[in-house]
Amino acid sequence: DAGVIQSPRHEVTEMGQEVTLRCKPISGHNSLFWYRQTMMRGLELLIYFNNNVPIDDSGMPEDRFSAKMPNASFSTLKIQPSEPRDSAVYFCASTGVEGGQYFGPGTRLTVT
Amino acid sequence: GENVEQHPSTLSVQEGDSAVIKCTYSDSASNYFPWYKQELGKRPQLIIDIRSNVGEKKDQRIAVTLNKTAKHFSLHITETQPEDSAVYFCAASDSWGKLQFGAGTQVVVTP
Repeated sequence: DAGVIQSPRHEVTEMGQEVTLRCKPISGHNSLFWYRQTMMRGLELLIYFNNNVPIDDSGMPEDRFSAKMPNASFSTLKIQPSEPRDSAVYFCASTGVEGGQYFGPGTRLTVT
Repeated sequence: GENVEQHPSTLSVQEGDSAVIKCTYSDSASNYFPWYKQELGKRPQLIIDIRSNVGEKKDQRIAVTLNKTAKHFSLHITETQPEDSAVYFCAASDSWGKLQFGAGTQVVVTP
């Protein structure tokens, strides 16, 4: 298995632009999580899905952030419009019935 | 909600010595406790985990202990090596699999 796949690995964009991050969970995993990591705030859970249904989006910082999971093998995290303070590493992770949560390689986002 | 505290924030050990990281959690309903290792610029990597019905688990040089009564759990690394240098995170999970992470411990193993 290739593990959790994220794209792009790096994204540099200008303030005000729309950013879309993509994630493919491990096949057979039924829960998917989006995290943001910065030096100041550490690892923050933004939203998570169970069987493609959003369970808890209380970590989404603002209405500028949205996430979807149209099917079991794909999820997106969108920021519109982006701001410099959104610069961070965004991780996607997935969990199967055995409980282990596995992280993707992350997307390093820089908003100038 | 769940709150996880992790200590120490930094830990410097001599190669070959042991390292211990301690975490406490607040929600007695938490039932799964994983540990992650994150090297600079890399993803958090699951290294060991323990469930609430087990008191101790060992995998080669790493071991975890859990005290449900006191609501604390610990990571033990024996015979540390330079490649053990990283940030280590503890976490506690609810029944949905939602993880609450500790703030992390920067471990530095000096040769």
